Amino acid sequence: QLQESGPGLVKPSETLSLTCTVSGDSSTSSIHYWGWIRQPPGKGLESIGSIYFTGNTYYNPSLRSRVTISVDTSKNHFSLSLTSVTAADTALYFCVRHEYQAAFDIWGQGTMVTVS
Amino acid sequence: SYDLTQPPSVSVSPGQTATITCSGDKLGNKFTSWYQQKPGQSPVLVIYQDDKRPSGIPERFSGSNSEDTATLTVSGTQAMDEAVYYCQAWDSRTAHYVFGTGTQVTVL
Repeated sequence: QLQESGPGLVKPSETLSLTCTVSGDSSTSSIHYWGWIRQPPGKGLESIGSIYFTGNTYYNPSLRSRVTISVDTSKNHFSLSLTSVTAADTALYFCVRHEYQAAFDIWGQGTMVTVS
Repeated sequence: SYDLTQPPSVSVSPGQTATITCSGDKLGNKFTSWYQQKPGQSPVLVIYQDDKRPSGIPERFSGSNSEDTATLTVSGTQAMDEAVYYCQAWDSRTAHYVFGTGTQVTVL
């Protein structure tokens, strides 16, 4: 299971920070990547990026300059940092599990973040 | 950027077949996945690697992918299948995942 946590309200120009806690699996899994997806209210899904336990990451090119995804294997969680947020970053943020270049098989319940 | 296009909506009568398309340049050369999202819920994977069903997904869900179009078919559609469906593929050129625009399936 995956569980997102973090502030539900962030001020414009500040940094959005979320954490996803992994249970029933290990963030050091050799086959899984851990990622973030977001969904603005009433809109579709957008991939933000993913990380492997070694620290290898890949990001959506449209967000790359503002995004950092990190993993803390000792706490079995991974995190999202999105800098210089604007109202356009208001969305439901999901954490996900997947294999390399494969489908997202496990999703968290999502956490709503409002930039205001 | 790589774009995946879906029809905004599909309507189907109970017991009939719903067909949802996802179009993208040479999409048949990529693996496509499909997700079902009901209101207020997280998306659920219903098809991966074009035509494989995860454990627990009913057999009425099937998929195919060829040339520029991937297709999700729901046979014998039930009221519980009413949801928004998203296709998704890996764009190797930019090394990130791309989602389709989403299709609202309404069971009339």
